[in-house]
This record gives sequence, C-alpha cells and structure tokens, in this order.
Amino acid sequence: GDSVTQMEGPVTLSEEAFLTINCTYTATGYPSLFWYVQYPGEGLQLLLKATKADDKGSNKGFEATYRKETTSFHLEKGSVQVSDSAVYFCALPMEYGNKLVFGAGTILRVKS
Amino acid sequence: GAVVSQHPSWVICKSGTSVKIECRSLDFQATTMFWYRQFPKQSLMLMATSNEGSKATYEQGVEKDKFLINHASLTLSTLTVTSAHPEDSSFYICSARAPGALQLGYGYTFGSGTRLTVV
Repeated sequence: GDSVTQMEGPVTLSEEAFLTINCTYTATGYPSLFWYVQYPGEGLQLLLKATKADDKGSNKGFEATYRKETTSFHLEKGSVQVSDSAVYFCALPMEYGNKLVFGAGTILRVKS
Repeated sequence: GAVVSQHPSWVICKSGTSVKIECRSLDFQATTMFWYRQFPKQSLMLMATSNEGSKATYEQGVEKDKFLINHASLTLSTLTVTSAHPEDSSFYICSARAPGALQLGYGYTFGSGTRLTVV
C-alpha cells in the first residue's frame, strides 16, 4: 500500500545551518506530494507541494523536488532560523479514499 | 482561501462526561472531512473520514461508539468523545479538502487542533 518514510529526529541545528529532511514514498501511480509543518500547539500548515515528477515545490526558503526515479521528496533549506523549529511531515494522498498518508514527522530544533 | 476553523482549541473535562469538537470549512464546501488524533511526539493517526449526509468511515481499531462523528452540512463536521476517560486525552485535528483541490495540486487544509484533557 501507499506509505511514506521520513528520517527520524529530532534534528538539532544551529541558526543558519543547512537543513535536509529525507522523505521517500511508496505509491501506485504518481501522486501529488506534500510537506506540512506543525508549530508547537498548532494544527498543520501546508508548507509546499509538488504535483508531478521533477516539480520543485518552494516556500519560505524551503524546497523539495519530486524525484520519481528515487521515489523521494527531500525537504531542504539553505539557512535555518530559530523560527523554523517545528515538526515537519511528508505526506501523499492515497490512490483510493482520498486519505492523506503521513510520515512519522521530524522534529526540527534550531538553536541560536 | 480554504480555511478550516476548529473549536474549541482546548478543553478540560471530567472523566465520564462527553465533549464535542467542531470543524467548519469557512469559505468552501467540504463533502469530506477527516479526523486525526495525535499523541505527544508522534505522527497523526487518522481516526475516521466524515462524509456529509452519510455515516462516517472509521479506521480499524477506532471505537465508533466512543468517537461519534456527525457531518450534517457541507461546512460542519463534529466529533463527540463520549464518556471520556484520561486515556482519551490527546490532540485532535480535523482536515478538509476544497472541491477540485487535489486535482489542482492543493493540499488538504487543517484546523488548528483541539487539546483535550480528561481529568
């Protein structure tokens, strides 16, 4: 079945460091791919998306490229800030039922 | 666009009482809404899919009689935790998708979540 695998955290970085959070997926067909962010005590917000292979989603300095050949959608940011501290979820919609499948979530902690 | 409002944001109730959580789509009609439960430092667990005008579809292992879902209109779904116990304490989040959003590549919109504490 459809699934998402995310790197385990927590990831702790110093401010202005480079960030990569790995995400790989298993799916039938070529679904859209999403990254969501959850700040402490809040719901999820869509961070970025990609709808087809080789698409690059970007927002707030974050980027992720839909790689069909490696079934990956890794999240990157060149210079993280303390305000980026949050939990990041990779997700895709299941082929049937329209339900979202989430990765386990990766906690990011950025220290000044 | 595509805003989902969830209330209350937090609630404390006594063991044995029931609590209702509301999820509203403010600027679109949502025939389908989703209810998730999130344990501390863990991912989201899909509890059920709420369908307007019909019975909800529950995921395996979720008690239908404990977590009552009602989707009476195209903009409102409610989750009622009946006879709540401390083990029901959790963060509950609803989600909805605007019509055509998936085809257009838009994600699902989430509510801000409800922190339930049962004492």
